[in-house]
Amino acid sequence: ETGVTQTPRHLVMGMTNKKSLKCEQHLGHNAMYWYKQSAKKPLELMFVYNFKEQTENNSVPSRFSPECPNSSHLFLHLHTLQPEDSALYLCASSPGGGPYEQYFGPGTRLTVT
Amino acid sequence: AQKVTQAQTEISVVEKEDVTLDCVYETRDTTYYLFWYKQPPSGELVFLIRRNSFDEQNEISGRYSWNFQKSTSSFNFTITASQVVDSAVYFCALSEPNTGNQFYFGTGTSLTVIP
Repeated sequence: ETGVTQTPRHLVMGMTNKKSLKCEQHLGHNAMYWYKQSAKKPLELMFVYNFKEQTENNSVPSRFSPECPNSSHLFLHLHTLQPEDSALYLCASSPGGGPYEQYFGPGTRLTVT
Repeated sequence: AQKVTQAQTEISVVEKEDVTLDCVYETRDTTYYLFWYKQPPSGELVFLIRRNSFDEQNEISGRYSWNFQKSTSSFNFTITASQVVDSAVYFCALSEPNTGNQFYFGTGTSLTVIP
């Protein structure tokens, strides 16, 4: 595997379900990010981890819970989501938390029914 | 207020035409970084370029070129002799060290190259 991978690529879940999104980076980077991409909106930064420590949480509802067990893996745990949470969730990584280019995974297309 | 504005929502060009995608940014910092990304239908954002605020030289990479003008706070992207494979959504982004290097993305420009 190379670059940034995300699983699953597509997910349909009900509002009462609990699911997790997984991201793995194979680039030796130290920072990882979760973004939400909704139609006609700019990408929204959700969470930032730098050296496994969470450094940003942009007022994300508690029904989204991130986990970063090491610098290569990032999870987004989902529970009791709302239909408006349906979006493309993108994971990215960068060498550090500085102004480096971020490398993105292919995303998970989430549909909440 | 939007920090990065991409006023062109959708553009269509015929193959081999040149096309320029506009990006206007807003910042009070003297040190900042600008980026362009390409998002093809597969969904993955592909990094194209990073430019810091102290380097106003224009850059050319194959059919791609970028025009950075601090006087107008613009960082425009031109594709020369467009090809069908250039069809994608293109995002401009700004990063400011003073805000923890958070990326501010524009809303993107959807480019369709017609064969």
